[in-house]
Amino acid sequence: TQLLEQSPQFLSIQEGENLTVYCNSSSVFSSLQWYRQEPGEGPVLLVTVVTGGEVKKLKRLTFQFGDARKDSSLHITAAQPGDTGLYLCAGYTGGGNKLTFGTGTQLKVEL
Amino acid sequence: DAGVIQSPRHEVTEMGQEVTLRCKPISGHNSLFWYRQTMMRGLELLIYFNNNVPIDDSGMPEDRFSAKMPNASFSTLKIQPSEPRDSAVYFCASSTRLAWGYEQYFGPGTRLTVT
Repeated sequence: TQLLEQSPQFLSIQEGENLTVYCNSSSVFSSLQWYRQEPGEGPVLLVTVVTGGEVKKLKRLTFQFGDARKDSSLHITAAQPGDTGLYLCAGYTGGGNKLTFGTGTQLKVEL
Repeated sequence: DAGVIQSPRHEVTEMGQEVTLRCKPISGHNSLFWYRQTMMRGLELLIYFNNNVPIDDSGMPEDRFSAKMPNASFSTLKIQPSEPRDSAVYFCASSTRLAWGYEQYFGPGTRLTVT
C-alpha cells in the first residue's frame, strides 16, 4: 500500500518556467523530507520539514508542509536544466525511523 | 566524510547464482537500511537495522533474501538463488537520530541484472 502519492508523475518543462510538485497522504507524518535522485545515483536529501505549516526555502526551491502534516509541496521558480531528476517525498510516522517514500515525480527541464 | 559506500556498483549474474551486495555506512550512524528500486514499484524498504540488530524485515520479498550486519561498519544483502525478477537497483542508506528525528543518507546503489 502506497501511503504517499505524488503528482504529477512526469513533468517536462522549458527552462525558466515555474512548477509545483505535490505529495499527498491520508496519514499524519511527524516529519517529511524531499529527495532528488539523478540517473545512476542514490537519492540526495534536499530538505526536512517538521512543523505543520512550515515553509523552507533552498535557493529557487520552496518546500511547504501542510497544516495537518498530511501533505507537502515543492515549488521550483525559474527551473534550470540542472533541476532535472526524480523528486521523491518521504515521511516518518510516529517516533520511528522507518521512512515511507512517495511514488516520485520525474522532472525534465529543457533548454 | 566518505558517505555510504556500496559494492559492487554493477553486478550481472545468471539465474540460480548467489549474489552478495555490500555496504559500509557513514561512521557514527547507528541505523542502516536496504532498499530496492524498480520502475514498477519505486523505492521499497527491504530491511533495516538499529545498532546492528534487524528491526523490521517485513519488506524482504522471500526466503531467498537475507541480510546481516556483523558490526557497525558493514552490512551485506544476499540473494540465493537469484532470479530474473530480482533485477533492480539496490540501495543502502544510513542514519542517526537528531533532535527532531532522523535523516537518511543513501549510497550510490548496486545495479543488479539477473539473466
